[in-house]
Amino acid sequence: GEDVEQSLFLSVREGDSSVINCTYTDSSSTYLYWYKQEPGAGLQLLTYIFSNMDMKQDQRLTVLLNKKDKHLSLRIADTQTGDSAIYFCAEETGGYNKLIFGAGTRLAVHP
Amino acid sequence: DGGITQSPKYLFRKEGQNVTLSCEQNLNHDAMYWYRQDPGQGLRLIYYSQIVNDFQKGDIAEGYSVSREKKESFPLTVTSAQKNPTAFYLCASSIRTVEWDDTEAFFGQGTRLTVV
Repeated sequence: GEDVEQSLFLSVREGDSSVINCTYTDSSSTYLYWYKQEPGAGLQLLTYIFSNMDMKQDQRLTVLLNKKDKHLSLRIADTQTGDSAIYFCAEETGGYNKLIFGAGTRLAVHP
Repeated sequence: DGGITQSPKYLFRKEGQNVTLSCEQNLNHDAMYWYRQDPGQGLRLIYYSQIVNDFQKGDIAEGYSVSREKKESFPLTVTSAQKNPTAFYLCASSIRTVEWDDTEAFFGQGTRLTVV
């Protein structure tokens, strides 16, 4: 079946890079997404990558996709305290934005 | 301002009562979605609608009902049949354009439902 897995917690020092990893199971996924959720708020789309790409860079964010291993990662360069949030990986399956989400990775940034 | 609005932000319900969560969007999006979020779990799809007057069950539709009478609105009713309704509910809408690199789902701020 469809499944997306992420580690639940990541702690980094301010200024370091953060790498959040995700694995998915549906090899027919067309898009893979990273969302950010701050406490008590809805989800905010950070970035997405089309399945025929290996990498996408957007300012401090770098997404790497290994389609063979069904592995997706999000790298945040120069992590700041404002980056503290839960990050969700999601794969699109079944067409038309039907998303399957991971459980979310809680990123804690400390001085 | 264009966006997607959920109301109320917090909702309390007595056991055995039905309750309706509101979701409105002025983005002219065709598709709308309801997700449920529980602590330590990913978002799970309850219902989705790709067009007015049409909707499909998601992965956990039991105990929920929806309607899509207008493009802008996709209310979710949590019925008394839902055994564990306390959760955070997120509504989303989306549009797909012909350019492959222009797709995005917009999310509301969520409604936290607590059954007391």
